[in-house]
Amino acid sequence: GAVVSQHPSWVICKSGTSVKIECRSLDFQATTMFWYRQFPKQSLMLMATSNEGSKATYEQGVEKDKFLINHASLTLSTLTVTSAHPEDSSFYICSARDPAGRHNQPQHFGDGTRLSIL
Amino acid sequence: GDSVTQMEGPVTLSEEAFLTINCTYTATGYPSLFWYVQYPGEGLQLLLKATKADDKGSNKGFEATYRKETTSFHLEKGSVQVSDSAVYFCALSEVNTGFQKLVFGTGTRLLVSP
Repeated sequence: GAVVSQHPSWVICKSGTSVKIECRSLDFQATTMFWYRQFPKQSLMLMATSNEGSKATYEQGVEKDKFLINHASLTLSTLTVTSAHPEDSSFYICSARDPAGRHNQPQHFGDGTRLSIL
Repeated sequence: GDSVTQMEGPVTLSEEAFLTINCTYTATGYPSLFWYVQYPGEGLQLLLKATKADDKGSNKGFEATYRKETTSFHLEKGSVQVSDSAVYFCALSEVNTGFQKLVFGTGTRLLVSP
């Protein structure tokens, strides 16, 4: 079964509103989580690395004030798209790293959130 | 920095045809290599992996061999099914981040018709 849960799976909202996406690790404590953005028919672009109890590390070109990341517990990281506009519409995917390395893979991915800004 | 290049799609095949999706990489050191699959509207699932040269990863009839000399990790399957239709991503884990970060190729869409 799924080991990373991402919520919501789909959200539509008006321009100017803020949207929060949650990423939870279900059966392990994730000290590190990752947030990706995927444009239609394109690859995943790493936006930021979320570290529990500290500030996120953003990739070059990603606006920190636009995409707020909070990793307040070992099982939850949130991405808030602030004052969203149509150009922020995209598919956002989170992943979590299991320090114990179970399931023999480096990162476990959520099912993604499709964000549509009208 | 590290990078992954994979063939553009879509790749269109008939059921039971042979599949090859090419993937080459550029990296510092010896990364681990992965193939992920993404079904419509979903996140990524690990399909197979290889951690060192000449390792062969395999799963669900798919195979890929870590070729250090050609810096390649081509995905193959002897007989595809309609249910294999998805987007396939080749990826590597960066050595200089302690293998934490993944670098993805652009993805190759596979369409299998009955």
